[in-house]
Amino acid sequence: SQTIHQWPATLVQPVGSPLSLECTVEGTSNPNLYWYRQAAGRGLQLLFYSVGIGQISSEVPQNLSASRPQDRQFILSSKKLLLSDSSFYLCAWSYAASGETQYFGPGTRLLVL
Amino acid sequence: GDSVTQMEGPVTLSEEAFLTINCTYTATGYPSLFWYVQYPGEGLQLLLKATKADDKGSNKGFEATYRKETTSFHLEKGSVQVSDSAVYFCALKRLTGGGNKLTFGTGTQLKVEL
Repeated sequence: SQTIHQWPATLVQPVGSPLSLECTVEGTSNPNLYWYRQAAGRGLQLLFYSVGIGQISSEVPQNLSASRPQDRQFILSSKKLLLSDSSFYLCAWSYAASGETQYFGPGTRLLVL
Repeated sequence: GDSVTQMEGPVTLSEEAFLTINCTYTATGYPSLFWYVQYPGEGLQLLLKATKADDKGSNKGFEATYRKETTSFHLEKGSVQVSDSAVYFCALKRLTGGGNKLTFGTGTQLKVEL
């Protein structure tokens, strides 16, 4: 069966520090991968998606970047965090060919102080 | 562009009450429609989906019917339980662009009390 992991579960970082959040998927090959942000009391905002290794599409301009160094690994990064980056970050995957359904990880809560 | 509109919450119900959470959408063509549920502190889980007009998705006592004429996909449950307390998201799959991207509504929080 397929599983998706995210870590860390919770992170507190100072303003201006770098960020690296990791997401890995097991049990499937060549998945589509997604990074979402969910601010408190608000809906989900798609940040990035990837249809293959090294292929990243950005949905909104921001202080973050994403990379996909391996087939089932998706990383969300920042060189310098802003207070406004505090949020709940969710990774998801779907089958590439017929993948309408997305499967979400447990999320990472990031607090920037 | 595509969009999803959900009723604002929180919705507070007593156990065994009837639930309706409204969802309407704007999209070109006939998108697939989804309901996801998010329990406190967790990621989202797919609750149900419908891929064409008049389809009914159902799971765990929840139902939603794809209504093309009213562009709606309202979520219903006949008798809610305390364990149904969560945030519910309506979503559609975009028909344009690649990557099977979803457009989500803002979510509706449901609180069920004894």
